[in-house]
Amino acid sequence: DAGVIQSPRHEVTEMGQEVTLRCKPISGHDYLFWYRQTMMRGLELLIYFNNNVPIDDSGMPEDRFSAKMPNASFSTLKIQPSEPRDSAVYFCASRPRQGNEQYFGPGTRLTVT
Amino acid sequence: AQSVTQLGSHVSVSEGALVLLRCNYSSSVPPYLFWYVQYPNQGLQLLLKYTTGATLVKGINGFEAEFKKSETSFHLTKPSAHMSDAAEYFCAVSDTGRRALTFGSGTRLQVQP
Repeated sequence: DAGVIQSPRHEVTEMGQEVTLRCKPISGHDYLFWYRQTMMRGLELLIYFNNNVPIDDSGMPEDRFSAKMPNASFSTLKIQPSEPRDSAVYFCASRPRQGNEQYFGPGTRLTVT
Repeated sequence: AQSVTQLGSHVSVSEGALVLLRCNYSSSVPPYLFWYVQYPNQGLQLLLKYTTGATLVKGINGFEAEFKKSETSFHLTKPSAHMSDAAEYFCAVSDTGRRALTFGSGTRLQVQP
């Protein structure tokens, strides 16, 4: 299996621009998670889906952030408009229905200038 | 609410020495516990997990961890450090109700030659 795939790996954008991060989970996994990693706050859960339905979005910082999962093999995390404080590494992870461990993608390093 | 505390943001050992990374958790229900490793510019890789059963858990790369309920601890050990073990290590907790992981702040392991 190719594992969790994220794109792009690096994104540099200017403040105010829209940013879209993409994730393809491992085939057959029912759960998909979006995390953000920063030096100040560590690893934080943003949102997670079960069978394409958002279950817990309490970690989404504000209305500028939105996430979708239109089908079992694709999810997006969108930031509009982006701000410098959104600079971080964003990870996507997936998990099978049976089992507890999550499998992480390589992350997208976002820099907002 | 769940929480994880990792004592020591940086740990330095000599090659061949014992590695001990500390993790204490707080959970109102029986926890699932995990250790992940992150190499520079990479995603998180699962080292080992505890769900139920045997409290001493063996993982990849010679690591193991022991779940001690009375001490609410899940410390990670390796008898003999190797240069390739240099990375950041994260302890995480989840429970049967909340599918997402709550991570500790991480411990950066440095291995001296």
